[in-house]
Amino acid sequence: EAQVTQNPRYLITVTGKKLTVTCSQNMNHEYMSWYRQDPGLGLRQIYYSMNVEVTDKGDVPEGYKVSRKEKRNFPLILESPSPNQTSLYFCASSLSLGRGTEAFFGQGTRLTVV
Amino acid sequence: GENVEQHPSTLSVQEGDSAVIKCTYSDSASNYFPWYKQELGKGPQLIIDIRSNVGEKKDQRIAVTLNKTAKHFSLHITETQPEDSAVYFCAASMAATDKLIFGTGTRLQVFP
Repeated sequence: EAQVTQNPRYLITVTGKKLTVTCSQNMNHEYMSWYRQDPGLGLRQIYYSMNVEVTDKGDVPEGYKVSRKEKRNFPLILESPSPNQTSLYFCASSLSLGRGTEAFFGQGTRLTVV
Repeated sequence: GENVEQHPSTLSVQEGDSAVIKCTYSDSASNYFPWYKQELGKGPQLIIDIRSNVGEKKDQRIAVTLNKTAKHFSLHITETQPEDSAVYFCAASMAATDKLIFGTGTRLQVFP
């Protein structure tokens, strides 16, 4: 089954404690991205990757890091989480950057930073 | 900057009625407009999309219309059912950045 898998689904952490949210896709997609979803703000792109070892900032990259060492994996790293990073996070993959191809989303990770 | 505005933010309809969600975009060079449905506890899923060379597209009870001149596109759901209750996102591809920009979402509730 074609899917994007994120882990964990729920995470509560304390300010400043480094964490990683994993994302894996089994569709051999080149393009992967991370979004955060906040009430009234919709989906905002954090980082994206067009291929292995190629990553770039999205609209809200501050406080986040990513890596793309393998085509299927695209982890999101919060080196020093803060309460304003409390949000619902989605990983997505697609065949191309944005034009004309379906983006497949993971189930989401609800992060709470206290 | 590039943005997509979506209205309304919430929409409540009676089962069997129609629902319309509207979006406007800023980049006149945008050429791809997908709609995603997000059910509770799940990630968004593509339900229909339209490209700039087409004015309307239908798939059973859902349809999307595009007015390039006005930079508007809309999602129409007819004969709504309780399972249509979800959050709907519109999006537009931005030619300059070659990525999708999402609207802020519409929470649709269909009452039986």
